Amino acid sequence: GAVVSQHPSRVICKSGTSVKIECRSLDFQATTMFWYRQFPKKSLMLMATSNEGSKATYEQGVEKDKFLINHASLTLSTLTVTSAHPEDSSFYICSARGTGKAEAFFGQGTRLTVV
Amino acid sequence: AQSVTQLGSHVSVSEGALVLLRCNYSSSVPPYLFWYVQYPNQGLQLLLKYTTGATLVKGINGFEAEFKKSETSFHLTKPSAHMSDAAEYFCAVTRNAGGTSYGKLTFGQGTILTVHP
Repeated sequence: GAVVSQHPSRVICKSGTSVKIECRSLDFQATTMFWYRQFPKKSLMLMATSNEGSKATYEQGVEKDKFLINHASLTLSTLTVTSAHPEDSSFYICSARGTGKAEAFFGQGTRLTVV
Repeated sequence: AQSVTQLGSHVSVSEGALVLLRCNYSSSVPPYLFWYVQYPNQGLQLLLKYTTGATLVKGINGFEAEFKKSETSFHLTKPSAHMSDAAEYFCAVTRNAGGTSYGKLTFGQGTILTVHP
């Protein structure tokens, strides 16, 4: 149980285009989802927290207009990187947590390359 | 605010040797602590976690960690390293239940474990 699926696993896009990444909880209801970014050879940095049905809470320094997060259902959250630039290239990982649980389960990550 | 420090960005051991990955944390509230493993271009897999209760926690693949409040540490150990243990390991801390940041993880910098034949 507690499977989180992230799609796509890899994506290459042209500079200036937008890319959507999906994060799905397959066998539990995820009341909260978290989006992280991992720079090469660096740790994971929390970008934002989203609760189902409400606006995401962004960490300091994260541009909310650039990284659009939607959590429209208890099993799906999406991260859209708008007007992507090469500096947005990174590994993005989501995690999902059920009600009252301490542990959040991670997706397999998405490698975004902007050319 | 929480923070996590992993001592040593790279650890190298021989196959069959003891693995010790160090993690120290700071937290203003009783912490929940986690160790994750990450293989290249993959997400994170939970090895073990400490929430409450027994301070010695056993996880998957023979790993264990001990929560030492007095030392604010949560070091990860494995008695005998295997080649398949080569990966990057992250220690993380989250606040206890009830806070608005409940479930948000603060990660350490990661430790790359290399296992030599």
